[in-house]
Amino acid sequence: EVQLVQSGAEVKKPGESLKISCKGSGYSFTSYWIGWVRQMPGKGLEWMGIIYPGDSDTRYSPSFQGQVTISADKSISTAYLQWSSLKASDTAMYYCARPIAAGDNWFDPWGQGTLVTVSS
Amino acid sequence: EIVMTQSPATLSVSPGERATLSCRASQSVSSNLAWYQQKPGQAPRLLIYGASTRATGIPARFSGSGSGTEFTLTISSLQSEDFAVYYCQQYNNWLGTFGQGTKVEIK
Repeated sequence: EVQLVQSGAEVKKPGESLKISCKGSGYSFTSYWIGWVRQMPGKGLEWMGIIYPGDSDTRYSPSFQGQVTISADKSISTAYLQWSSLKASDTAMYYCARPIAAGDNWFDPWGQGTLVTVSS
Repeated sequence: EIVMTQSPATLSVSPGERATLSCRASQSVSSNLAWYQQKPGQAPRLLIYGASTRATGIPARFSGSGSGTEFTLTISSLQSEDFAVYYCQQYNNWLGTFGQGTKVEIK
């Protein structure tokens, strides 16, 4: 069974750094892109960016370029989303997701989500 | 960046009735469009991709149509489990964008 398991909820202060994770299992991790999606409280879905763990090729939405870093460690089948200096506006649920097929662009399955709360 | 606009924002429908949701792209995305369903407290679920192909396990009452800039998701006969928020998503030139969502609520 293909699964994406994300790290647990985080509570941070503004200015702190953070790295959340997404571990893939049940498939060839290096053969599929993994994407990250933000959902702010009570709001819609926002496509943040994608990474190909096979060669770490990464693409960002213009809205998130320079705001976050997406990376992957193929040796442990894990993708990451990180911030160097969090802001209150980064408070959101963050999902990782994998395309349905190696050459496709549509996300399924999804991770369970990681809730990030940034508050002083 | 391609902007996706969904309408209406909220759709009130009685169980058993038909629901029609719209999604418009700011420029042509060909058939590179998907629909997702999200229920409270859950991750989104893929319903339709390639504008009209149902994902694995999705009931036949869900159908998608359209190409270019205008797309439609139709739920032929709403069941209680279909009340949720629905998002369209396009993917073009290594960049995806979602619509703002349509909430389907019980009338």
